[in-house]
Amino acid sequence: DAGVIQSPRHEVTEMGQEVTLRCKPISGHDYLFWYRQTMMRGLELLIYFNNNVPIDDSGMPEDRFSAKMPNASFSTLKIQPSEPRDSAVYFCASSLGGAVSGANVLTFGAGSRLTVL
Amino acid sequence: SQQGEEDPQALSIQEGENATMNCSYKTSINNLQWYRQNSGRGLVHLILIRSNEREKHSGRLRVTLDTSKKSSSLLITASRAADTASYFCATARGYNDMRFGAGTRLTVKP
Repeated sequence: DAGVIQSPRHEVTEMGQEVTLRCKPISGHDYLFWYRQTMMRGLELLIYFNNNVPIDDSGMPEDRFSAKMPNASFSTLKIQPSEPRDSAVYFCASSLGGAVSGANVLTFGAGSRLTVL
Repeated sequence: SQQGEEDPQALSIQEGENATMNCSYKTSINNLQWYRQNSGRGLVHLILIRSNEREKHSGRLRVTLDTSKKSSSLLITASRAADTASYFCATARGYNDMRFGAGTRLTVKP
Protein backbone atom coordinates (compact mmCIF):
# COMPACT_ATOMS: atom_id res chain seq x y z
CA ASP A 1 0.00 0.00 0.00
CA ALA A 2 1.25 3.50 -0.84
CA GLY A 3 0.10 4.85 2.49
CA VAL A 4 -2.14 7.86 3.02
CA ILE A 5 -1.93 10.12 -0.01
CA GLN A 6 -2.60 13.83 0.21
CA SER A 7 -2.76 16.44 -2.50
CA PRO A 8 -1.65 19.04 -3.18
CA ARG A 9 1.56 19.01 -1.16
CA HIS A 10 1.82 22.77 -1.38
CA GLU A 11 -0.83 25.35 -2.12
CA VAL A 12 -0.42 29.09 -2.30
CA THR A 13 -3.55 31.10 -2.79
CA GLU A 14 -4.94 34.54 -2.23
CA MET A 15 -7.36 35.53 0.48
CA GLY A 16 -10.93 34.87 -0.52
CA GLN A 17 -10.17 31.99 -2.83
CA GLU A 18 -11.58 28.50 -2.36
CA VAL A 19 -9.12 25.81 -1.31
CA THR A 20 -9.73 22.07 -1.62
CA LEU A 21 -7.41 19.56 -0.01
CA ARG A 22 -7.67 15.88 -0.89
CA CYS A 23 -6.92 12.66 0.90
CA LYS A 24 -6.86 9.00 -0.07
CA PRO A 25 -6.75 6.79 3.04
CA ILE A 26 -5.20 3.36 3.32
CA SER A 27 -7.44 0.72 1.81
CA GLY A 28 -9.41 -1.10 4.48
CA HIS A 29 -9.10 1.61 7.10
CA ASP A 30 -12.47 2.68 8.44
CA TYR A 31 -11.47 5.90 10.19
CA LEU A 32 -10.24 9.11 8.59
CA PHE A 33 -8.99 12.16 10.44
CA TRP A 34 -8.18 15.71 9.39
CA TYR A 35 -5.69 17.66 11.51
CA ARG A 36 -4.25 21.16 11.21
CA GLN A 37 -0.76 21.99 12.46
CA THR A 38 0.54 25.47 13.25
CA MET A 39 3.34 26.71 15.44
CA MET A 40 0.92 28.60 17.65
CA ARG A 41 -1.78 25.97 18.13
CA GLY A 42 0.07 22.72 17.55
CA LEU A 43 -1.78 19.77 16.04
CA GLU A 44 -5.55 20.27 16.15
CA LEU A 45 -8.13 17.62 15.36
CA LEU A 46 -10.59 19.18 12.94
CA ILE A 47 -12.94 16.32 12.10
CA TYR A 48 -13.00 12.57 11.85
CA PHE A 49 -15.10 10.06 9.93
CA ASN A 50 -16.06 6.47 10.56
CA ASN A 51 -17.20 4.46 7.56
CA ASN A 52 -17.55 7.71 5.58
CA VAL A 53 -19.83 9.31 8.21
CA PRO A 54 -18.63 12.41 10.11
CA ILE A 55 -18.49 11.55 13.81
CA ASP A 56 -17.06 14.65 15.44
CA ASP A 57 -16.62 17.98 13.68
CA SER A 58 -16.33 20.07 16.82
CA GLY A 59 -12.79 21.02 15.89
CA MET A 60 -13.76 22.66 12.61
CA PRO A 61 -12.92 26.30 13.27
CA GLU A 62 -15.84 27.93 11.52
CA ASP A 63 -18.40 27.62 8.76
CA ARG A 64 -15.80 28.41 6.13
CA PHE A 65 -14.46 24.90 6.66
CA SER A 66 -16.23 21.82 5.39
CA ALA A 67 -15.21 18.20 4.94
CA LYS A 68 -16.73 15.36 3.00
CA MET A 69 -16.06 11.70 2.50
CA PRO A 70 -18.14 10.52 -0.46
CA ASN A 71 -16.64 7.03 -0.40
CA ALA A 72 -14.16 4.89 1.52
CA SER A 73 -11.23 5.92 -0.63
CA PHE A 74 -11.54 9.69 -0.81
CA SER A 75 -12.05 12.71 1.42
CA THR A 76 -11.87 16.46 0.89
CA LEU A 77 -11.37 19.41 3.20
CA LYS A 78 -12.60 22.65 1.73
CA ILE A 79 -12.04 26.21 2.89
CA GLN A 80 -14.22 28.87 1.35
CA PRO A 81 -13.36 31.71 1.49
CA SER A 82 -9.79 31.28 2.66
CA GLU A 83 -8.08 33.74 5.01
CA PRO A 84 -4.40 34.31 5.90
CA ARG A 85 -4.96 32.78 9.35
CA ASP A 86 -5.83 29.48 7.65
CA SER A 87 -2.19 29.13 6.64
CA ALA A 88 -1.02 25.86 8.14
CA VAL A 89 -0.08 22.30 7.33
CA TYR A 90 -3.15 20.10 7.01
CA PHE A 91 -2.73 16.40 7.69
CA CYS A 92 -4.98 13.53 6.84
CA ALA A 93 -4.64 10.28 8.78
CA SER A 94 -6.43 6.96 8.61
CA SER A 95 -6.75 3.99 10.91
CA LEU A 96 -8.46 0.72 11.61
CA GLY A 97 -10.92 1.64 14.32
CA GLY A 98 -10.08 1.22 17.96
CA ALA A 99 -13.13 -0.78 18.89
CA VAL A 100 -12.02 -3.43 16.37
CA SER A 101 -8.27 -3.44 16.94
CA GLY A 102 -8.28 -2.28 20.54
CA ALA A 103 -6.58 1.01 19.80
CA ASN A 104 -6.62 3.59 17.08
CA VAL A 105 -3.13 3.75 15.58
CA LEU A 106 -2.99 6.49 12.98
CA THR A 107 -1.11 6.49 9.70
CA PHE A 108 -0.50 10.03 8.53
CA GLY A 109 -0.13 11.46 5.08
CA ALA A 110 2.74 13.79 4.22
CA GLY A 111 0.53 16.85 4.68
CA SER A 112 -0.63 19.75 2.56
CA ARG A 113 1.09 23.04 3.29
CA LEU A 114 -1.35 25.89 2.71
CA THR A 115 -0.30 29.50 2.42
CA VAL A 116 -3.00 32.12 2.10
CA LEU A 117 -1.69 35.53 1.08
CA SER B 1 -8.44 21.10 22.04
CA GLN B 2 -5.22 19.42 23.04
CA GLN B 3 -5.39 16.52 25.43
CA GLY B 4 -1.74 15.91 26.21
CA GLU B 5 1.07 18.30 27.04
CA GLU B 6 4.69 17.39 26.51
CA ASP B 7 7.59 18.54 28.58
CA PRO B 8 10.15 19.86 27.88
CA GLN B 9 9.26 21.84 24.76
CA ALA B 10 12.79 21.41 23.48
CA LEU B 11 15.66 19.11 24.39
CA SER B 12 19.22 19.12 23.09
CA ILE B 13 21.61 16.27 23.87
CA GLN B 14 24.78 14.66 22.58
CA GLU B 15 24.75 11.48 20.56
CA GLY B 16 24.89 8.46 22.84
CA GLU B 17 23.03 10.14 25.69
CA ASN B 18 19.54 9.20 26.77
CA ALA B 19 16.57 11.46 26.06
CA THR B 20 13.52 11.61 28.31
CA MET B 21 10.30 13.33 27.36
CA ASN B 22 7.20 13.61 29.49
CA CYS B 23 3.52 13.87 28.72
CA SER B 24 0.68 14.88 30.97
CA TYR B 25 -2.96 14.53 30.09
CA LYS B 26 -6.24 15.63 31.57
CA THR B 27 -8.94 13.01 31.30
CA SER B 28 -9.13 9.26 31.69
CA ILE B 29 -7.79 7.37 28.69
CA ASN B 30 -7.99 4.03 26.99
CA ASN B 31 -4.42 4.16 25.72
CA LEU B 32 -1.58 6.59 25.13
CA GLN B 33 0.57 6.68 22.03
CA TRP B 34 3.82 8.35 21.05
CA TYR B 35 4.49 9.63 17.56
CA ARG B 36 7.51 11.11 15.88
CA GLN B 37 7.62 13.84 13.26
CA ASN B 38 10.64 14.63 11.16
CA SER B 39 10.81 18.14 9.79
CA GLY B 40 8.39 18.63 6.93
CA ARG B 41 6.90 15.17 7.22
CA GLY B 42 3.82 13.50 8.64
CA LEU B 43 3.73 11.89 12.06
CA VAL B 44 4.82 8.29 12.46
CA HIS B 45 3.55 5.99 15.18
CA LEU B 46 6.25 4.76 17.58
CA ILE B 47 4.65 2.92 20.45
CA LEU B 48 1.34 2.40 22.25
CA ILE B 49 0.73 1.72 25.90
CA ARG B 50 -2.67 0.71 27.23
CA SER B 51 -4.20 2.08 30.40
CA ASN B 52 -3.67 -1.23 32.23
CA GLU B 53 0.04 -1.31 31.39
CA ARG B 54 2.78 0.46 33.31
CA GLU B 55 5.79 0.04 31.07
CA LYS B 56 6.53 -1.01 27.53
CA HIS B 57 9.68 -1.42 25.47
CA SER B 58 10.38 -1.32 21.77
CA GLY B 59 14.01 -1.38 20.68
CA ARG B 60 15.66 1.72 22.16
CA LEU B 61 12.31 3.11 23.28
CA ARG B 62 10.86 2.73 26.75
CA VAL B 63 7.47 4.13 27.67
CA THR B 64 5.96 4.35 31.11
CA LEU B 65 2.43 5.24 32.10
CA ASP B 66 1.17 6.41 35.47
CA THR B 67 -2.61 6.71 35.29
CA SER B 68 -2.84 8.00 38.86
CA LYS B 69 -0.72 10.99 37.90
CA LYS B 70 -2.09 11.14 34.36
CA SER B 71 1.41 11.16 32.96
CA SER B 72 3.67 9.21 30.64
CA SER B 73 7.33 9.33 29.75
CA LEU B 74 9.23 8.32 26.64
CA LEU B 75 12.87 7.35 27.03
CA ILE B 76 15.14 7.02 24.02
CA THR B 77 18.36 5.29 24.97
CA ALA B 78 21.72 5.68 23.25
CA SER B 79 20.39 8.48 21.06
CA ARG B 80 21.57 9.00 17.49
CA ALA B 81 21.62 12.06 15.28
CA ALA B 82 18.85 10.40 13.27
CA ASP B 83 16.59 10.61 16.34
CA THR B 84 16.42 14.38 15.84
CA ALA B 85 12.70 15.08 15.43
CA SER B 86 9.62 16.26 17.29
CA TYR B 87 7.90 13.76 19.55
CA PHE B 88 4.21 13.88 20.39
CA CYS B 89 2.01 12.03 22.79
CA ALA B 90 -1.55 11.30 21.79
CA THR B 91 -4.51 10.17 23.81
CA ALA B 92 -8.11 9.30 23.12
CA ARG B 93 -10.99 9.81 25.49
CA GLY B 94 -12.71 6.93 23.81
CA TYR B 95 -11.01 4.72 21.27
CA ASN B 96 -11.04 7.08 18.37
CA ASP B 97 -10.74 10.82 18.90
CA MET B 98 -6.94 10.99 18.97
CA ARG B 99 -5.64 14.32 20.22
CA PHE B 100 -2.03 15.40 20.35
CA GLY B 101 0.09 17.52 22.63
CA ALA B 102 2.34 20.36 21.50
CA GLY B 103 5.34 18.11 21.18
CA THR B 104 8.96 18.01 22.33
CA ARG B 105 11.58 19.05 19.81
CA LEU B 106 14.60 16.78 20.27
CA THR B 107 17.98 17.67 18.82
CA VAL B 108 20.74 15.07 18.99
CA LYS B 109 24.14 16.52 18.25
CA PRO B 110 26.68 14.24 16.57
